[in-house]
Amino acid sequence: LAKTTQPISMDSYEGQEVNITCSHNNIATNDYITWYQQFPSQGPRFIIQGYKTKVTNEVASLFIPADRKSSTLSLPRVSLSDTAVYYCLVGDEGESFNRKLIWGLGTSLAVNP
Amino acid sequence: DAGITQSPRHKVTETGTPVTLRCHQTENHRYMYWYRQDPGHGLRLIHYSYGVKDTDKGEVSDGYSVSRSKTEDFLLTLESATSSQTSVYFCAISHSRGPTQYFGPGTRLTVL
Repeated sequence: LAKTTQPISMDSYEGQEVNITCSHNNIATNDYITWYQQFPSQGPRFIIQGYKTKVTNEVASLFIPADRKSSTLSLPRVSLSDTAVYYCLVGDEGESFNRKLIWGLGTSLAVNP
Repeated sequence: DAGITQSPRHKVTETGTPVTLRCHQTENHRYMYWYRQDPGHGLRLIHYSYGVKDTDKGEVSDGYSVSRSKTEDFLLTLESATSSQTSVYFCAISHSRGPTQYFGPGTRLTVL
């Protein structure tokens, strides 16, 4: 069964780059690794997904090594509005139709002035 | 944002009463999910649906039932609410059974 591990919390300052790593083993070989952002009293919001190497969009970058045993979400030049909880989500290995999706417990990022 | 609404947004009820939460989507996504979110547990899947009348259990399905009679609506029912079901409930949708999902705003349920 796949398992994910993320840091519980991180602190940063405005303008800095923040990297959050999620460790995951026994994940589905043909699934995306996906990251979400959640603000208080809101549902999680999709940020970025990747299969391997590096993916970048207007919000973040995602780095995935060749063995896919971890992924790193990179937030460039964070601002106060990036204060949120960040989750990784992966698929468990197994039959694709019924495979279990494994959520990390989330990393609470606090951005300070 | 994906067109997903949940109703009610807040509900307080008493132990032993039935409760139904509704999720409505306007995106015509095939898959719909119900999660609960509790401190220290993150998001846990209750039930999901892969089509009209097609549903399956998640990891914490005991005490919950679901129904999907139309593509756009997914109902979660607590037949007899208990205090342990006090939680925030999120509905999500996706094109396929995978990790790319879009979430509704949530329903905060308190069972006294």
